[in-house]
Amino acid sequence: EAQVTQNPRYLITVTGKKLTVTCSQNMNHEYMSWYRQDPGLGLRQIYYSMNVEVTDKGDVPEGYKVSRKEKRNFPLILESPSPNQTSLYFCASSYLTGYNEQFFGPGTRLTVL
Amino acid sequence: AQKVTQAQTEISVVEKEDVTLDCVYETRDTTYYLFWYKQPPSGELVFLIRRNSFDEQNEISGRYSWNFQKSTSSFNFTITASQVVDSAVYFCALSEVTTDSWGKLQFGAGTQVVVTP
Repeated sequence: EAQVTQNPRYLITVTGKKLTVTCSQNMNHEYMSWYRQDPGLGLRQIYYSMNVEVTDKGDVPEGYKVSRKEKRNFPLILESPSPNQTSLYFCASSYLTGYNEQFFGPGTRLTVL
Repeated sequence: AQKVTQAQTEISVVEKEDVTLDCVYETRDTTYYLFWYKQPPSGELVFLIRRNSFDEQNEISGRYSWNFQKSTSSFNFTITASQVVDSAVYFCALSEVTTDSWGKLQFGAGTQVVVTP
């Protein structure tokens, strides 16, 4: 089944404790992206990647890191999480570019205390 | 600056009523793409439609229809004869084709649609 998977689905952590949210897709898509969803703000793009070893900042990259060492994986790293990073995070992928339909993962709900 | 505006925060309708969701976008590009996504209460995001800036034809898919008007920078979405299963948050999104924006996708704040029996 074609899908985007994220882990963990739920995470409660404390300020400053480094964490990684994994994202994997099995559709051989070139493009992958991370978004955060907050009430009243919709989805905001954090980082995106057009292909392996190519990553770019979205609209809200501060406090986040990403890497794209393999085509299928695009982990999101929070080196020192803060409470304002409490949010619902979505990973997405699409064929070739961000102009095509994006397939979204199920979301990761992160709470930073 | 917000490039996609969905002014309606929430719309409540009774089943079988029509509902129109407004989306106004802002861009200087001549080439861009517009999208609608649905987020039902279960939380996943579902693609509904993609439209490029050179195709102003309106589109109909079952009970869904979209009205794209470049003159007013709008890409509105209508659900005809709404059903309870249409209850969801609907997002409009914009992807511009410029060097600075290549690969970026910007969403509106979303419109919550509540359909009651």
